[in-house]
Amino acid sequence: EAGVAQSPRYKIIEKRQSVAFWCNPISGHATLYWYQQILGQGPKLLIQFQNNGVVDDSQLPKDRFSAERLKGVDSTLKIQPAKLEDSAVYLCASSFRVPETQYFGPGTRLLVL
Amino acid sequence: AQSVTQLGSHVSVSEGALVLLRCNYSSSVPPYLFWYVQYPNQGLQLLLKYTSAAALVKGINGFEAEFKKSETSFHLTKPSAHMSDAAEYFCAVSEASGTYKYIFGTGTRLKVLA
Repeated sequence: EAGVAQSPRYKIIEKRQSVAFWCNPISGHATLYWYQQILGQGPKLLIQFQNNGVVDDSQLPKDRFSAERLKGVDSTLKIQPAKLEDSAVYLCASSFRVPETQYFGPGTRLLVL
Repeated sequence: AQSVTQLGSHVSVSEGALVLLRCNYSSSVPPYLFWYVQYPNQGLQLLLKYTSAAALVKGINGFEAEFKKSETSFHLTKPSAHMSDAAEYFCAVSEASGTYKYIFGTGTRLKVLA
């Protein structure tokens, strides 16, 4: 069974630029999550989708971050404009449904200069 | 609100020695509890999970954890450390209702000494 796929793996941008990350969850998984992991910290949930609907985006900085999951399968997370403090690893995870186990992708490491 | 505390951001053990990584949670309702491992430049991999069945949970790679409600703890142990166990370990608690949101601890980096 293929795992959660993410791209790109690494991204370096200048502050105020925009960036997008892509995630393809495990086939059949209805729930998709985006996490932000800052160096030295545990992952923090940014947004949770159930199929193509948002069920929790309470910690998503909506003035600069956006995410979509249009067909209930893959998802895109965008940052516009990026700030220095957005430097982190962005992890995507999926689960068959809640409260089933979440499976994580390899992450996208973002560096904002 | 749920919270997770992992005591010790760095733990060093000798190869073959007991591994003990501590995790305490705050919750009035028994939650779901997880331990994940993260190797460098990789995502998180599930080691084990507690979902209110048996208090002692066995996971992969010889790890196990015991849920102790009276101590609100879910410590991770392994009888004999191997060099390949060097990684970062995260404890997480899931709310037992609603969105079952995961709250992660800050992680413990395990170093195994030869």
